[in-house]
Amino acid sequence: GAVVSQHPSWVICKSGTSVKIECRSLDFQATTMFWYRQFPKQSLMLMATSNEGSKATYEQGVEKDKFLINHASLTLSTLTVTSAHPEDSSFYICSATSQGDQPQHFGDGTRLSIL
Amino acid sequence: GDSVTQMEGPVTLSEEAFLTINCTYTATGYPSLFWYVQYPGEGLQLLLKATKADDKGSNKGFEATYRKETTSFHLEKGSVQVSDSAVYFCALLPSNDYKLSFGAGTTVTVRA
Repeated sequence: GAVVSQHPSWVICKSGTSVKIECRSLDFQATTMFWYRQFPKQSLMLMATSNEGSKATYEQGVEKDKFLINHASLTLSTLTVTSAHPEDSSFYICSATSQGDQPQHFGDGTRLSIL
Repeated sequence: GDSVTQMEGPVTLSEEAFLTINCTYTATGYPSLFWYVQYPGEGLQLLLKATKADDKGSNKGFEATYRKETTSFHLEKGSVQVSDSAVYFCALLPSNDYKLSFGAGTTVTVRA
């Protein structure tokens, strides 16, 4: 149980395009979802926390207009990287919990490459 | 704030060797502690956890004991396999928060 599906797993696109990444909880209701960014050989950096039906809370230094997060249902959150540029290339990972219970359940990540 | 300090890697071992990855933490109150594993190109999987002092988490031959007196949560495995090659993250969940704090990660490579 407690499966989190992230899609796509890998995306390559041109600079200036917007990219949407989906995070779905398949067998539980995710009241809270987290979005992380991971640079090569580094740890995870929390970007934002989203609670179903409310605006996401962004960590300091993360541009909310650049990284749009929507958590409209208890099983789906999306991260949209708007007008992506090469410096946005990274590995993005989502996680989800139910009513704040731990542990967080992680998706398999999305590797984003901007040309 | 609460934080985790994790042994730096990379660590390279031969099959059947003993593995230890050190993890110490700084926290107020009584945090929960976790070890996550990340295989190449994948997300994180929970390996084990402990929620209070002296708890021992165990899974797949890995163990870690929550030591409040030394503020540590070292990961150990008695006999590693090639399939244990991965990046291991120590993580802390504060008692009064919902955000995980991760260590830097330790890359472990097991050679046949």
